[in-house]
Amino acid sequence: DQQVKQNSPSLSVQEGRISILNCDYTNSMFDYFLWYKKYPAEGPTFLISISSIKDKNEDGRFTVFLNKSAKHLSLHIVPSQPGDSAVYFCAASGNNAGNNRKLIWGLGTSLAVNP
Amino acid sequence: KAGVTQTPRYLIKTRGQQVTLSCSPISGHRSVSWYQQTPGQGLQFLFEYFSETQRNKGNFPGRFSGRQFSNSRSEMNVSTLELGDSALYLCASSEQGTRGYTFGSGTRLTVV
Repeated sequence: DQQVKQNSPSLSVQEGRISILNCDYTNSMFDYFLWYKKYPAEGPTFLISISSIKDKNEDGRFTVFLNKSAKHLSLHIVPSQPGDSAVYFCAASGNNAGNNRKLIWGLGTSLAVNP
Repeated sequence: KAGVTQTPRYLIKTRGQQVTLSCSPISGHRSVSWYQQTPGQGLQFLFEYFSETQRNKGNFPGRFSGRQFSNSRSEMNVSTLELGDSALYLCASSEQGTRGYTFGSGTRLTVV
């Protein structure tokens, strides 16, 4: 059972437009969420995170929005650039000791930004 | 700081063999996690080691095992390899194992 779901396996947008990647989760104990970007043949790299005490976190062109009541978060990339083409993973974790500490990952969304 | 180093980068093994993968974390990072990535299953958590102790474990069979040394370097072992074990194996390190993970480039294992 996927506790973190990225329902869109792929997304294609035009350069300069907004990319919106979505992520849903089922475990109400999750309180920290991260987005990672992965290029082929490389490991994922950290992009941006958000704690459940916030509903928005912004870093340059990247903004993550969290809707706790809907158990939904989204990553906005504005403006999108061809170099943003990669697989984006959403991950979540709890704040307690033990197994809640491990990250639970979505299956990823492959973003293609077309020039 | 040097990043997370995984060796080897590529590996081809035969069914039934065993394999050992290595991960050197970022200096000062005491937590090392291992993940298996396959196209249909995304990133699947294998286990996490912290200060030489396994702290978390995913839902993988006992053929998958690991260990961590006193210098925080970690090894992962897979015995009696099956075709389905073909995947990219990723190692990630962090200071405490809670938030900021840095990944290595992975080891691409192909079982034939």
